[in-house]
Amino acid sequence: SQQGEEDPQALSIQEGENATMNCSYKTSINNLQWYRQNSGRGLVHLILIRSNEREKHSGRLRVTLDTSKKSSSLLITASRAADTASYFCATALSNFGNEKLTFGTGTRLTIIP
Amino acid sequence: EPEVTQTPSHQVTQMGQEVILRCVPISNHLYFYWYRQILGQKVEFLVSFYNNEISEKSEIFDDQFSVERPDGSNFTLKIRSTKLEDSAMYFCASSWALDQPQHFGDGTRLSIL
Repeated sequence: SQQGEEDPQALSIQEGENATMNCSYKTSINNLQWYRQNSGRGLVHLILIRSNEREKHSGRLRVTLDTSKKSSSLLITASRAADTASYFCATALSNFGNEKLTFGTGTRLTIIP
Repeated sequence: EPEVTQTPSHQVTQMGQEVILRCVPISNHLYFYWYRQILGQKVEFLVSFYNNEISEKSEIFDDQFSVERPDGSNFTLKIRSTKLEDSAMYFCASSWALDQPQHFGDGTRLSIL
């Protein structure tokens, strides 16, 4: 299966510091997406990186993808208390009419004010 | 910004009863998905829907489950005879094309008693 595993499982940092989360997967992908989930809430899409891309930026977010190592990282710079949430990577492989996402286990990020 | 809406936010049902979870995807989207997340576990794919038919379903999506897009806006998930193990958060997602972000609703928390 295209299993995604995030590392670390939990991360606590001081407000203003940078947070880095890693994701590894096992099989070919078309793209990899990162999501945020606040406790008990829905999944908020953060960024999508395609298999032919190596790096993408969106505001304070920077995502890298290394398809040779089957890994991705999410960097949040200048963290804020509002960034406290769980972060998930999800890999996608497209078939006709379908692009199911396979989610990782998530990283629980806590920003200490 | 357009969003995926799900109702109800919380559904409590007796085991063996039928439940229908409702979703209104983003209006110009063509691909529709249901996922679920059992408390403390990964988000799991259930089913994908495109061009008015199921394009892929997981092993979880057995004969007790069905999906419908009865009109141009709603997308429903029906569980015919609920079991205790169906208790989970159910998420609807949609995208306008393959290799594009999937946007999730806030979910329906289903509790089976």
